[in-house]
Amino acid sequence: GEDVEQSLFLSVREGDSSVINCTYTDSSSTYLYWYKQEPGAGLQLLTYIFSNMDMKQDQRLTVLLNKKDKHLSLRIADTQTGDSAIYFCAEKWNSGYSTLTFGKGTMLLVSP
Amino acid sequence: SQTIHQWPATLVQPVGSPLSLECTVEGTSNPNLYWYRQAAGRGLQLLFYSVGIGQISSEVPQNLSASRPQDRQFILSSKKLLLSDSGFYLCAWSVQDSRYEQYFGPGTRLTVT
Repeated sequence: GEDVEQSLFLSVREGDSSVINCTYTDSSSTYLYWYKQEPGAGLQLLTYIFSNMDMKQDQRLTVLLNKKDKHLSLRIADTQTGDSAIYFCAEKWNSGYSTLTFGKGTMLLVSP
Repeated sequence: SQTIHQWPATLVQPVGSPLSLECTVEGTSNPNLYWYRQAAGRGLQLLFYSVGIGQISSEVPQNLSASRPQDRQFILSSKKLLLSDSGFYLCAWSVQDSRYEQYFGPGTRLTVT
């Protein structure tokens, strides 16, 4: 199918690292994104990675891209309770489409 | 800087009533505009997108419609709401470049009773 796959739930303790995984569909996707959604709010763009990169780091966030396996991950270092949210990965197909394809989201719960 | 507004924030409507949700974007010109619905299952379902005034692409058949009467205004409508239309409706915009990263509004929570 044409689905972006994510695990539904992840629970970590405050201060630990969190790793959220995603498998996308199109090996020719040009851009891949991570979004964060807090309760009752819209989605906030966290970061993106271009398909010719293997890794991108932005403060506590590290994105790893494995194009061979079509696997994307988001690592959050020193996870805080404020990081509790739903995290969506999304891909931009390398085609004429003006749209992104989103996964169903991973709910991250950070306990004190 | 760019901002995106949606209203109303919450709405409770009876079955069979009409619907009009509005989305406006400030600080950019000729954006792509998108309507999504997020139901209890949490996934995002793309309903409509628009690359210009009067240009609407529908992704799924349904009793909803969308219109773009102005460059930065996107409206989601229904003539008769169904119970299954309940959900969290999100509007988003993107620049028309190769990245198409999308920026989301705060959403409208619609409950059809």
